[in-house]
Amino acid sequence: AQTVTQSQPEMSVQEAETVTLSCTYDTSESDYYLFWYKQPPSRQMILVIRQEAYKQQNATENRFSVNFQKAAKSFSLKISDSQLGDAAMYFCAYRSPSSGNTPLVFGKGTRLSVIA
Amino acid sequence: DGGITQSPKYLFRKEGQNVTLSCEQNLNHDAMYWYRQDPGQGLRLIYYSQIVNDFQKGDIAEGYSVSREKKESFPLTVTSAQKNPTAFYLCASSKGPGPTDTQYFGPGTRLTVL
Repeated sequence: AQTVTQSQPEMSVQEAETVTLSCTYDTSESDYYLFWYKQPPSRQMILVIRQEAYKQQNATENRFSVNFQKAAKSFSLKISDSQLGDAAMYFCAYRSPSSGNTPLVFGKGTRLSVIA
Repeated sequence: DGGITQSPKYLFRKEGQNVTLSCEQNLNHDAMYWYRQDPGQGLRLIYYSQIVNDFQKGDIAEGYSVSREKKESFPLTVTSAQKNPTAFYLCASSKGPGPTDTQYFGPGTRLTVL
């Protein structure tokens, strides 16, 4: 079974600075999908960014980018120019591409605080 | 507006009672999921359904039941057999496998056992 590990329960960053959240995963599959979700205080889960394992290029969405290291099974999230609205829980998730719909496997999350 | 709705937002239950959490989606998604969130635990999968009239147990299905009679609806019943039901419950849906297989989440239901 796949597992996802987020080793940083809490992180903090100064406004306008850059922060990197870590995520590692364990899988024997060669193709899969990786996700970062954000959960602000409203508790609504919001998709931040997605990476397909067969793509070597790191995904980018505005101020959010990933560093995907397939051999190391690492999938870190970099937030540039941090804003107060970035304060939230961030969850890394893995999804198998096997036939049919398959659920996400989540890490335990990292709570990010943004300091004004 | 397309999206996922969950009701109620807050739910209180007495010990020994069954309660049902509603989840509806109008995204025309085939798959639906129920997750439970506890502090420090992340999200854990309770049940999921790939098509109507079919569903599979997740990692923590004991004490829960589901039905999928309509594509749009996937209600979760928390039974009296669930020993510690106080938690935040999230419903999600996705279209299918492939590049568009993103899961989208509803706003959640907070269940408290009195």
